[in-house]
Amino acid sequence: DVKVTQSSRYLVKRTGEKVFLECVQDMDHENMFWYRQDPGLGLRLIYFSYDVKMKEKGDIPEGYSVSREKKERFSLILESASTNQTSMYLCASNDRSYEQYFGPGTRLTVT
Amino acid sequence: GENVEQHPSTLSVQEGDSAVIKCTYSDSASNYFPWYKQELGKRPQLIIDIRSNVGEKKDQRIAVTLNKTAKHFSLHITETQPEDSAVYFCAAEYNTDKLIFGTGTRLQVFP
Repeated sequence: DVKVTQSSRYLVKRTGEKVFLECVQDMDHENMFWYRQDPGLGLRLIYFSYDVKMKEKGDIPEGYSVSREKKERFSLILESASTNQTSMYLCASNDRSYEQYFGPGTRLTVT
Repeated sequence: GENVEQHPSTLSVQEGDSAVIKCTYSDSASNYFPWYKQELGKRPQLIIDIRSNVGEKKDQRIAVTLNKTAKHFSLHITETQPEDSAVYFCAAEYNTDKLIFGTGTRLQVFP
């Protein structure tokens, strides 16, 4: 079974804090993704990585950065958290043009 | 830019009835169209997908149809059951390997 794990299910941070969200997949997938999910807006792509140290901006990259130092791990970084970044964050991975496997999600609250 | 519109946003049906969810997309180069189901508190999971070289695909009670000329695709669930209650997302691939998701349809099946 494909396994995509995320470091936290729930996270509460203060405005201005630096926040790290970690994602690990165990299927040797090339591609990894970070989405945020908000009611009525669906899943929106923040960043995408197709190889180690490679990254591409998605549809809403502002206020976020990413890091992929190892193939199995993809980190999302909020440099200075703001209240409008309160959301559900989902990580996913796949091989080219095939099913994306999602992690369980991290519900981040910024106060 | 690329866009996927999904309708309706909510759908209520009686157990045993059929449910249809429709999506339209903007990028004529899209060739891969997956559907994901997200149960309450769980991660999205792929339920069916279709590629542009086929017009219809079935898997037991679910089917997907694709009309590339009109740039729309639909999910059909027959003989609905309470366990079909969930949020369903359509998606279209663009720029190779990236998916753009619809805003989701909350399906409720009443016994």
